[in-house]
Amino acid sequence: DAKTTQPTSMDCAEGRAANLPCNHSTISGNEYVYWYRQIHSQGPQYIIHGLKNNETNEMASLIITEDRKSSTLILPHATLRDTAVYYCIVSSTGANNLFFGTGTRLTVIP
Amino acid sequence: DSGVTQTPKHLITATGQRVTLRCSPRSGDLSVYWYQQSLDQGLQFLIQYYNGEERAKGNILERFSAQQFPDLHSELNLSSLELGDSALYFCASSLTSGNTIYFGEGSWLTVV
Repeated sequence: DAKTTQPTSMDCAEGRAANLPCNHSTISGNEYVYWYRQIHSQGPQYIIHGLKNNETNEMASLIITEDRKSSTLILPHATLRDTAVYYCIVSSTGANNLFFGTGTRLTVIP
Repeated sequence: DSGVTQTPKHLITATGQRVTLRCSPRSGDLSVYWYQQSLDQGLQFLIQYYNGEERAKGNILERFSAQQFPDLHSELNLSSLELGDSALYFCASSLTSGNTIYFGEGSWLTVV
């Protein structure tokens, strides 16, 4: 699976949009971009995934660039409960596991 | 609530002992995964089962073993425990390989 690069940490003001970037320049055609988050020592929580089109659900939006080499997870109105480590993962269909890197530690500030 | 259930939530045991962690996957999911998360390391993939058969192996020690039963629940057995085995152990499940994976809340293991 392709490797991803994320900033180590980010801050976001409560109520503002949190934009979390991810680079995956070696992504191949059958690989999806997944986002998970882990709130302190809880189980990783699935947020969203996409292949090439932008995706939106009740939690977030995922914007994937046209060349698919990078993506951005958008939390439209960050709350204190969104403070967590966010993982961007690239995984192919049929993959047998997800590789978790170090992720981005997002801190939402009151 | 992901639908993945893990027991026990917390466990304290002594070095050299053996423990069993249990996982019930989401209803309908055939694949079960086990991950380990230590304080100084990230989430490490241990092993995957699909419909009772081992499908993939990661960084799982020989002292550790797992199985998936006909009712699809899974157990992770940890033996000859060492202090360094203290960690959060997560179970996850998916419909099949390549589908979205959902995680349980984990089992905290402390070895003293």
